[in-house]
Amino acid sequence: EAAVTQSPRNKVAVTGGKVTLSCNQTNNHNNMYWYRQDTGHGLRLIHYSYGAGSTEKGDIPDGYKASRPSQENFSLILELATPSQTSVYFCASGERNTLYFGEGSRLIVV
Amino acid sequence: GDSVTQTEGLVTLTKGLPVMLNCTYQTTYSPFLFWYVQHLNEAPKLLLKSSTDNKRTEHQGFYATLHKSSSSFHLQKSSVQLSDSALYFCALISYQGGRALIFGTGTTVSVSP
Repeated sequence: EAAVTQSPRNKVAVTGGKVTLSCNQTNNHNNMYWYRQDTGHGLRLIHYSYGAGSTEKGDIPDGYKASRPSQENFSLILELATPSQTSVYFCASGERNTLYFGEGSRLIVV
Repeated sequence: GDSVTQTEGLVTLTKGLPVMLNCTYQTTYSPFLFWYVQHLNEAPKLLLKSSTDNKRTEHQGFYATLHKSSSSFHLQKSSVQLSDSALYFCALISYQGGRALIFGTGTTVSVSP
């Protein structure tokens, strides 16, 4: 079973603060993804990466940055967190048309 | 652009009954469709997938058939169990960026005894 781990699992941040969500995969997959999950919207793609050093914008990138320093690690960065970014964030890695998701990071911005 | 539509937000039914969850899609590419299941406070997990027209694919008692003529990939099960209570997502590979998945809004299935 593919392994994707996220940290932190839960985070409360203040408006205007910086938040970094981290993701590590041990599957040696080239592609990695960040999604957010909100009721009524399903899972929406924020950023993705083809490999170390690469980041690409997904469908809803505004307010988010991403960093892929290595094959294993892919971070999502909120430079100035806002309450509208309160959500559950999922990281995934993928190969052969299958994505493997981490357990999710629940972020509350107050 | 590519999109996935799930029409039911919530499906409630009794154990032992059949269920069908609707999924339709739009894409200009050759479609590759997926169903993911997410139990409460867990990660989404792949349930089944298909890119072959008119061929039934099955897993864990669930089945679906990709119909390109109607752009559909409905999920079915003949007899639901309590453990099938979960959130079900239909998804489509997007060839426009990173082979990411585009998800529908999800259907919550609630099974009662």
